[in-house]
Amino acid sequence: DSGVTQTPKHLITATGQRVTLRCSPRSGDLSVYWYQQSLDQGLQFLIHYYNGEERAKGNILERFSAQQFPDLHSELNLSSLELGDSALYFCASSVGVGPSYTFGSGTRLTVV
Amino acid sequence: DQQVKQNSPSLSVQEGRISILNCDYTNSMFDYFLWYKKYPAEGPTFLISISSIKDKNEDGRFTVFLNKSAKHLSLHIVPSQPGDSAVYFCAASEQGGSEKLVFGKGTKLTVNP
Repeated sequence: DSGVTQTPKHLITATGQRVTLRCSPRSGDLSVYWYQQSLDQGLQFLIHYYNGEERAKGNILERFSAQQFPDLHSELNLSSLELGDSALYFCASSVGVGPSYTFGSGTRLTVV
Repeated sequence: DQQVKQNSPSLSVQEGRISILNCDYTNSMFDYFLWYKKYPAEGPTFLISISSIKDKNEDGRFTVFLNKSAKHLSLHIVPSQPGDSAVYFCAASEQGGSEKLVFGKGTKLTVNP
């Protein structure tokens, strides 16, 4: 157990729907990062929050949004889902600002 | 444009021998490099890192070598053990301690008993 908790572990939903992925960082970690891993691809950086504020954005689609709450947990919202959004979504956390961080076990999203 | 490339999707070695995983990068702004290991159904786990001011970093059976002029790094595992069988990702970050990691696609290592 890495200490980073992601829920749900698996999610199957239909095209056009909206889902929310949740991440609880390790105790004491202020940074939360979101990555997407599509089939046979490396992890792609989506977004980074530090202590509630957005710090950096990667190639995150406009249909996707995220936030970090006062208790430091984070949610990634994916809307108007398309088949191509099917992927593993990883959350990671660190005490400060990267680059070495601890990953959760991921949420596998399947869009049908 | 892939800035971090792991050109070998898979590697198979015998237990006790050396495993060498390779990684190339194109962005000269990268100054910190990491290797992560990933088992099925788990998230990536940090393994070892190296700063661009060094050319070698060692941690037990794991050694990372960096050749800046060639924009190449490699991970050596000696001796290899069956428990090392996993997918290994190379990752890099830019100057200034950027929080964003750029990952390669990974190399699946299989260590045969």
